Amino acid sequence: DQQVKQNSPSLSVQEGRISILNCDYTNSMFDYFLWYKKYPAEGPTFLISISSIKDKNEDGRFTVFLNKSAKHLSLHIVPSQPGDSAVYFCAAKGNDMRFGAGTRLTVKP
Amino acid sequence: NAGVTQTPKFRVLKTGQSMTLLCAQDMNHEYMYWYRQDPGMGLRLIHYSVGEGTTAKGEVPDGYNVSRLKKQNFLLGLESAAPSQTSVYFCASSSGDWTDTQYFGPGTRLTVL
Repeated sequence: DQQVKQNSPSLSVQEGRISILNCDYTNSMFDYFLWYKKYPAEGPTFLISISSIKDKNEDGRFTVFLNKSAKHLSLHIVPSQPGDSAVYFCAAKGNDMRFGAGTRLTVKP
Repeated sequence: NAGVTQTPKFRVLKTGQSMTLLCAQDMNHEYMYWYRQDPGMGLRLIHYSVGEGTTAKGEVPDGYNVSRLKKQNFLLGLESAAPSQTSVYFCASSSGDWTDTQYFGPGTRLTVL
C-alpha cells in the first residue's frame, strides 16, 4: 500500500510563476518529511525537509508547508526557473523512509 | 571526493542468473540504503544498513540479499533474477539517522529477460 501519494504525475508552469507540488500521506506515525529533486540519469538530490512539529520551512525560493490534520504537505517554488524542471519526490520518515511516485515539473521560458 | 558510486551502470540478465550490485561511498557515512525505482511507484526501500556489519529489511526485501562487510561498501545481491526485478536501483548513504540527508548514487539500470 502506498502510504505517500503524489497525485499529480506532471505539472507545467511559466518561468517566474509559482510552482506548487502536493503530497498526501496516510500514516500518522510519520514524523519527518523531505523533498528530493531528480534530473534524468542522475540520482535524487535533497531539496528541503520539515519536522512534524513545524508547519512551514523556507530555504530561498523553496518553501514546504505541512498540514498534519489533513496529512498533506506541499512544496512551493517561487519564482520558478527553467532549471527547476525535474521530477520531485516527497518522502516521509516513520520506521523507515517512504517515497511518493514523483511529480514531473516543467518550467517553460 | 566521488560521493556515492554504483557499479555497474547497466546490466541485462536472463531469468535465474545471479549478480551483485556494488555501492561505494567516500563520505564516511554510517547509514547506507538500497532502493528500487519503478514507473508510477517512486522509490521503494529494499534493505538498509545502520553501520558496518549490520543490515535490515526495508519495504520490499524479497529476492534480494545485502552485505556491509566494510563501512564504505554496501552490496546488493540477486541470487536468482526474475523479470519482476527489472528496475532502476539506487544506492544512498547518510551520516546519521533517517532525518539526515541521503546522498544518492547515479543508479543501475537492470533488465531481466
